[in-house]
Amino acid sequence: EAQVTQNPRYLITVTGKKLTVTCSQNMNHEYMSWYRQDPGLGLRQIYYSMNVEVTDKGDVPEGYKVSRKEKRNFPLILESPSPNQTSLYFCASSLEGQGPYNEQFFGPGTRLTVL
Amino acid sequence: AQKITQTQPGMFVQEKEAVTLDCTYDTSDPSYGLFWYKQPSSGEMIFLIYQGSYDQQNATEGRYSLNFQKARKSANLVISASQLGDSAMYFCAMREGQRATDSWGKLQFGAGTQVVVTP
Repeated sequence: EAQVTQNPRYLITVTGKKLTVTCSQNMNHEYMSWYRQDPGLGLRQIYYSMNVEVTDKGDVPEGYKVSRKEKRNFPLILESPSPNQTSLYFCASSLEGQGPYNEQFFGPGTRLTVL
Repeated sequence: AQKITQTQPGMFVQEKEAVTLDCTYDTSDPSYGLFWYKQPSSGEMIFLIYQGSYDQQNATEGRYSLNFQKARKSANLVISASQLGDSAMYFCAMREGQRATDSWGKLQFGAGTQVVVTP
């Protein structure tokens, strides 16, 4: 089944404790992206990757890191989480980044709470 | 600047009635795509419908149709014959196509409209 998977689905952690949210897609997509969703703000892009070893900042990259060492995986790293990073996180992928016609497929979401 | 505006934070609709969700967008890129996603209370993002800027006809997918008015930069979603299972948050999103823009490849979302379908 074609899908984007994220782990964990739910995470409660404390300020300053490094964490990684994994994202994997099995569709051979080139483009992958991370979004965060906050009430009243919709989804905002954190980082994106056009292909392996190519990543770039989105609208709200502060406090996050990513890597793209393999085409299928795009982990999101919070080196020192803070309470303002409490949010619902989505990983998404699409066939390619070029052109507006490519539907982005979303993972199930990761609900993160930072105490 | 906000690129996608959804002016209806929430609305109630009766079962079997049609509902229109408003979405306006802002872009100077001639090539763009407009998407609608549904997010039920379980949280996942479900793709509903897509409209390309060069598409001559309004997109339709089952009970969903997109009322695309390019000159007005409007892309309203129409859900016909609402069902209880349509209760969800609905997001309008845009993806611009020109590589020169700093929003290339990014899906830009509106704040969403919460729809509650009542019996």
